[in-house]
Amino acid sequence: DSGVTQTPKHLITATGQRVTLRCSPRSGDLSVYWYQQSLDQGLQFLIHYYNGEERAKGNILERFSAQQFPDLHSELNLSSLELGDSALYFCASSGFGKGAYNEQFFGPGTRLTVL
Amino acid sequence: AQKITQTQPGMFVQEKEAVTLDCTYDTSDQSYGLFWYKQPSSGEMIFLIYQGSYDEQNATEGRYSLNFQKARKSANLVISASQLGDSAMYFCAMREMDTGRRALTFGSGTRLQVQP
Repeated sequence: DSGVTQTPKHLITATGQRVTLRCSPRSGDLSVYWYQQSLDQGLQFLIHYYNGEERAKGNILERFSAQQFPDLHSELNLSSLELGDSALYFCASSGFGKGAYNEQFFGPGTRLTVL
Repeated sequence: AQKITQTQPGMFVQEKEAVTLDCTYDTSDQSYGLFWYKQPSSGEMIFLIYQGSYDEQNATEGRYSLNFQKARKSANLVISASQLGDSAMYFCAMREMDTGRRALTFGSGTRLQVQP
């Protein structure tokens, strides 16, 4: 158990709908990262929040947005869903670390299926 | 250009034998880190081993070791004495520090199957 929790574990919805994925980082970790794992795109970085502020964006679509709340949990909002959004969405958290070593602890993921 | 390249989509190894999973990377940063993660069929991402660009010695963690060849920009994972439980997807990833971006860039992965 990494200490990172994600809910729900599975989500099935229809095209055009909107969903919210939730992530609670490890106790004390200020950084939350969101990644998308799909068959055609592989594992891709979406967005990074640190202590409530957006720090970096990756290949995140405009239909997607995220936020990190004062209690440090984060939500990823996906709207106007398309079939191609079906993927495993991971949240990862890390503490503050200097240098390149800063292990990211991954949650179990939310598997989104868009029908 | 691909930042992380894993050229072996699938690998087979006999139980108790050693196996090497290849990873090459591309970066102009001087400071970077290389990571290997394991993803079993259950889906979770498990951190295995880390190598920093300034580390002079190859990293080792139990049965895992990282064969780091900086000039060739390769960071191959070596698993010794393979076990059936090692069957999984393995991902190589990089964090580039000079740009300040802390997210990981992943390769496409290698599926390892350990045969009894």
